Amino acid sequence: AQSVSQHNHHVILSEAASLELGCNYSYGGTVNLFWYVQYPGQHLQLLLKYFSGDPLVKGIKGFEAEFIKSKFSFNLRKPSVQWSDTAEYFCAVNARTSGANNLFFGTGTRLTVIP
Amino acid sequence: KAGVTQTPRYLIKTRGQQVTLSCSPISGHRSVSWYQQTPGQGLQFLFEYFSETQRNKGNFPGRFSGRQFSNSRSEMNVSTLELGDSALYLCASSPTSGAINEQFFGPGTRLTVL
Repeated sequence: AQSVSQHNHHVILSEAASLELGCNYSYGGTVNLFWYVQYPGQHLQLLLKYFSGDPLVKGIKGFEAEFIKSKFSFNLRKPSVQWSDTAEYFCAVNARTSGANNLFFGTGTRLTVIP
Repeated sequence: KAGVTQTPRYLIKTRGQQVTLSCSPISGHRSVSWYQQTPGQGLQFLFEYFSETQRNKGNFPGRFSGRQFSNSRSEMNVSTLELGDSALYLCASSPTSGAINEQFFGPGTRLTVL
């Protein structure tokens, strides 16, 4: 079965600091990878996704993530965070061969950015 | 395009009752998936419907069921409610079924079981 681990439960940063949120998954086959964000009071929104090709993917709002197959990782990065990035971030994976839209989510990382 | 809509947004029920939640996908989307979000378990997949057929089911008891109508709208039903069913229930739609799809999430229905 697939599973996703997000090791950081709560991260607190000052504005302009760099961000890296860890995500590791366990699944032996080919996967699609996603990062979703949930701003306070809002619904889940897609930040970025990896299906194939260049392992460094760029998303909205200056976020990027790198897929490292050998490490089963898909870490999220942003060089300089803003107060408006305060939100909960979820890594998700689904198996390419599953033929179904069932995403497995990590438990989420709450990011607090201090102005 | 309008986003995914879910009704009602908030619901309070008592143990033993049943509840039906509704989801309208983005126009043209034919796949609807349901997730349960709780502080302890995070986001867990319930089931997916595509073309009125259940495509996949997560590890939830049979008290959780769903259906999809010909216009792609979906309903989720929970019977004999338990306290542990208190959660945010999220619906997500995508154009088709299949793993290579982005899912668009609705705002959720907050269910409280007393």
